[in-house]
Amino acid sequence: AQTVTQSQPEMSVQEAETVTLSCTYDTSESNYYLFWYKQPPSRQMILVIRQEAYKQQNATENRFSVNFQKAAKSFSLKISDSQLGDTAMYFCAFIPNFGNEKLTFGTGTRLTIIP
Amino acid sequence: GAVVSQHPSWVICKSGTSVKIECRSLDFQATTMFWYRQFPKQSLMLMATSNEGSKATYEQGVEKDKFLINHASLTLSTLTVTSAHPEDSSFYICSASATSGRPPTRPDTQYFGPGTRLTVL
Repeated sequence: AQTVTQSQPEMSVQEAETVTLSCTYDTSESNYYLFWYKQPPSRQMILVIRQEAYKQQNATENRFSVNFQKAAKSFSLKISDSQLGDTAMYFCAFIPNFGNEKLTFGTGTRLTIIP
Repeated sequence: GAVVSQHPSWVICKSGTSVKIECRSLDFQATTMFWYRQFPKQSLMLMATSNEGSKATYEQGVEKDKFLINHASLTLSTLTVTSAHPEDSSFYICSASATSGRPPTRPDTQYFGPGTRLTVL
């Protein structure tokens, strides 16, 4: 069984600063996908970034980037130049590469950007 | 791209009545749809997985007779909460994925609807 652990229940950072959210996971699979989803106060789940486990290159999406360490089973999210709109709950998630398998979510990190 | 809608966004009903929630993939064909329940300040809890034209697969502890799921087409899935009671009040979220991973989707990626808040009086 897969598990995803987010050890930071809450974080806050000043606007324009950089923040890193941590995520570790446990799996016996060799091929899988990892995700970060954002859930703002509207509660709409938004895909932030996606990483294929077979790719060594870390995924980036504008101000969002990940540090994927496969051997350590670590998948942290870095948000650069943080903005007020980044205030949200962030969930790390895992899916095995079998096609349409269910997501395993972490417990989430509540991030607050302070003006 | 990869837009999923849900209707209604919120609903209030009386105890004992049934409520239907619709989930639609607007710009892609969803081979699989998922239904989640989320309690305040908690993560998402998967209720069931449905593939188009097949019976839904329910997670352990989820009453299939209470939460009826239908996935009649590649763009529509419905969740019906039958004989709703106050303890069924929650935030229900659907997601959709496409096996093909053709744009606007990506393989093995779920795209979420905006959620439905159900309040049972």
